[in-house]
Amino acid sequence: QVTLRESGPALVRPTQTLTLTCSFSGFSLSKNGMCVGWIRQPPGKALEWIARIDWDDDEHYNTSLTERVTISKDTSKNQVVLTMTDMDPVDTATYYCARILAGNDRDYFDFWGQGSLVTVSS
Amino acid sequence: DIQMTQSPTSLSASVGDRVTITCRTSQTVSTYLNWYQQKGGKAPKLLIYSASRLHGGVPSRFSGSGSGTEFTLTISSLQTEDFATYFCQQSYTDITFGPGTKVELK
Repeated sequence: QVTLRESGPALVRPTQTLTLTCSFSGFSLSKNGMCVGWIRQPPGKALEWIARIDWDDDEHYNTSLTERVTISKDTSKNQVVLTMTDMDPVDTATYYCARILAGNDRDYFDFWGQGSLVTVSS
Repeated sequence: DIQMTQSPTSLSASVGDRVTITCRTSQTVSTYLNWYQQKGGKAPKLLIYSASRLHGGVPSRFSGSGSGTEFTLTISSLQTEDFATYFCQQSYTDITFGPGTKVELK
């Protein structure tokens, strides 16, 4: 049974750094084709992909966020960590982590965490 | 970056209606196109992957088609539980989500 759960602060001050942890179970991030991604959704708006990390340690970032975001994994702990620097009120959103299954002719988010609402405010 | 559009932005339909949502990409994504359903601020759920493959546990009234730059999601007979927002997503070059289509009760 695959599960993912996001954890981190609910409130962040402007200019601070956000650190979110995705704890998962039911799969190994060292297995070929397994990846984890982060997605966010401002209230009432569309989904925005942030970053992903693959089984082979490849990292990929949304070009609009790449200067502020770092993704990393700890395979032994079954965790993926996202850091985002210089937070701004426009970064207020629900942040999701999700598993990606990647392979020949496929690459999709099949399991999602419940989401973590992060508010950026002074 | 690949840009994505969805049409319509929203639609009103009745139970039993056939509903079609279109997703277009600014450049080819082959069949690296997925569809998700989102209800009430909850996490999205995968419906269709690789343009036309039904994810496990998803009712067969959902279907997807297309390749290249134009794709469709069809609900053959709308049910009460299908009123939601639907997003397409490409993973051919990085990842992009469409803006969403809200399906409401007429």
